[in-house]
Amino acid sequence: SQKIEQNSEALNIQEGKTATLTCNYTNYSPAYLQWYRQDPGRGPVFLLLIRENEKEKRKERLKVTFDTTLKQSLFHITASQPADSATYLCALSSGSARQLTFGSGTQLTVLP
Amino acid sequence: DAGVIQSPRHEVTEMGQEVTLRCKPISGHNSLFWYRQTMMRGLELLIYFNNNVPIDDSGMPEDRFSAKMPNASFSTLKIQPSEPRDSAVYFCASSFTEEQFFGPGTRLTVL
Repeated sequence: SQKIEQNSEALNIQEGKTATLTCNYTNYSPAYLQWYRQDPGRGPVFLLLIRENEKEKRKERLKVTFDTTLKQSLFHITASQPADSATYLCALSSGSARQLTFGSGTQLTVLP
Repeated sequence: DAGVIQSPRHEVTEMGQEVTLRCKPISGHNSLFWYRQTMMRGLELLIYFNNNVPIDDSGMPEDRFSAKMPNASFSTLKIQPSEPRDSAVYFCASSFTEEQFFGPGTRLTVL
């Protein structure tokens, strides 16, 4: 069956360090993968999209990698700040165009 | 732009009652999605519309759930009759490309 796993439900890191979040999937062949940020009481907010033929994408302090052989995406936040504390969701394209299947999320806490 | 608008933001109802959730997508977006989020099951897609037409409703839990999109600027998700296990946060999202824009959600509590 199809499965998306985001390693560690919770991740605590020290301010200034690089946070690395993992998204693994099985029995999917996604055309693209997205990362979203969700703050308590709010809807998810889009951060980055990476396509199956792309290895890496960057946006300011964010970097995403996509390895279709390993069936894994890594999401990095460099020079992390307490304001980066949130839940981060990975989402894979699935089914009809633009449909997404979301992972369960990783709650990141950046300690000052 | 005001973003995706959902109403009500909170709904408390009793088991057996009908519940209607409303969504106004971002103007110009042609895809609309209804999701449900719970601690146990995470964020699940319920139904997806493209150009006001339902494309995939395989995520709708059962016949008690129905969704409509009568025009490009309005959609409803109805639960009738509601049950305690329907308690969750329901999100509406819209898109024009692959990126989805989520509303603030409706927190539904069924007693």
